[in-house]
Amino acid sequence: DTGVSQNPRHKITKRGQNVTFRCDPISEHNRLYWYRQTLGQGPEFLTYFQNEAQLEKSRLLSDRFSAERPKGSFSTLEIQRTEQGDSAMYLCASSLVSNYGYTFGSGTRLTVV
Amino acid sequence: AQTVTQSQPEMSVQEAETVTLSCTYDTSESDYYLFWYKQPPSRQMILVIRQEAYKQQNATENRFSVNFQKAAKSFSLKISDSQLGDAAMYFCAYKWGSEKLVFGKGTKLTVNP
Repeated sequence: DTGVSQNPRHKITKRGQNVTFRCDPISEHNRLYWYRQTLGQGPEFLTYFQNEAQLEKSRLLSDRFSAERPKGSFSTLEIQRTEQGDSAMYLCASSLVSNYGYTFGSGTRLTVV
Repeated sequence: AQTVTQSQPEMSVQEAETVTLSCTYDTSESDYYLFWYKQPPSRQMILVIRQEAYKQQNATENRFSVNFQKAAKSFSLKISDSQLGDAAMYFCAYKWGSEKLVFGKGTKLTVNP
């Protein structure tokens, strides 16, 4: 088991461009989460999947953000028309039983210039 | 809304000494879960220790232990025999009901040789 994998590790994009990030969870984990972490802050919840169903979304997830988890395996997070305020670390995590905590990936650092 | 407060933005400790990181939280619930996560520089977040609120006994994991004071809504982390590898950001997190974790802003721990 290679843990939670996120790609790319870093992404620099121009304002207004679309970006997509990928997360591959631990294979037996049916729960998958996306968080956003800005400098000097703790991670903030964005959205949660159980298998392929997106069951919870934060109000932080504006209509420019969309997440999918086809077939309940990997997940993608797309940001359309990026803004400078989208610059952050995007963290993915997975779990089998969330009360025992998550396993996090190393994150994708997005810089919007 | 549930909130998690870490009042110490930075802490330092001498190698082999003991340090305690503070965390308080706000909730009206009686059954919930608390976590401490470690985030080394440029590396993924790792679960250090967890506590179930209905258990009165404080959790312990090797050199890491917690002081859980439910009435005071306090959940501090004690690191004994500090090692250079303990240097990291430490985040306290709370979970109740939904799948999401609510994180504090973190405490940066420096270990001096």
